[in-house]
Amino acid sequence: GAVVSQHPSWVICKSGTSVKIECRSLDFQATTMFWYRQFPKQSLMLMATSNEGSKATYEQGVEKDKFLINHASLTLSTLTVTSAHPEDSSFYICSAALRAGGWDEQYFGPGTRLTVT
Amino acid sequence: GIQVEQSPPDLILQEGANSTLRCNFSDSVNNLQWFHQNPWGQLINLFYIPSGTKQNGRLSATTVATERYSLLYISSSQTTDSGVYFCAVSSTGGFKTIFGAGTRLFVKA
Repeated sequence: GAVVSQHPSWVICKSGTSVKIECRSLDFQATTMFWYRQFPKQSLMLMATSNEGSKATYEQGVEKDKFLINHASLTLSTLTVTSAHPEDSSFYICSAALRAGGWDEQYFGPGTRLTVT
Repeated sequence: GIQVEQSPPDLILQEGANSTLRCNFSDSVNNLQWFHQNPWGQLINLFYIPSGTKQNGRLSATTVATERYSLLYISSSQTTDSGVYFCAVSSTGGFKTIFGAGTRLFVKA
């Protein structure tokens, strides 16, 4: 149980184009979903917190107009990188929070490797 | 905000050896998880352990919340244990999860 999928697993796009990444909780409804970014050999950095039906909360320094987050349902959140540039190349990971026993445990998707040329 | 420090940053073990990874945090927490990131980038949940001790096979974890640290024990290490181990916490009253920098483990055959 508690499986989270991401699609696509990797994508190469040209500078200036937009890329959409999907995050789905497959066997549970997620109270909250999170989007992280990870550069090579670094830790995960939280980009935004997403709740179904409401606007995402972005971390300081994350451009909300560049990284559009839509949380359409309790099982689906999407991250769109608009007008991507080479510096947006990174590993993007989503997680979904499963509430059980009074606490929230995060389960992570397999990640999406974005390369902008 | 809450600070999370992990040690050691890097660790090389011979297969079969035991190890202890440490996570210190600067404030009280209501959520602490240990993850293993495999070479393909997938984060695997190891333990949800804001306090107390848990064991799962060759792995065990202990969190002493009053002293603000958690330990992850790996016994009889195997090459498949290689990867990065992350500690992640949410502070009491908060919801945001903060990751430590990780411990990069390499187990030699």
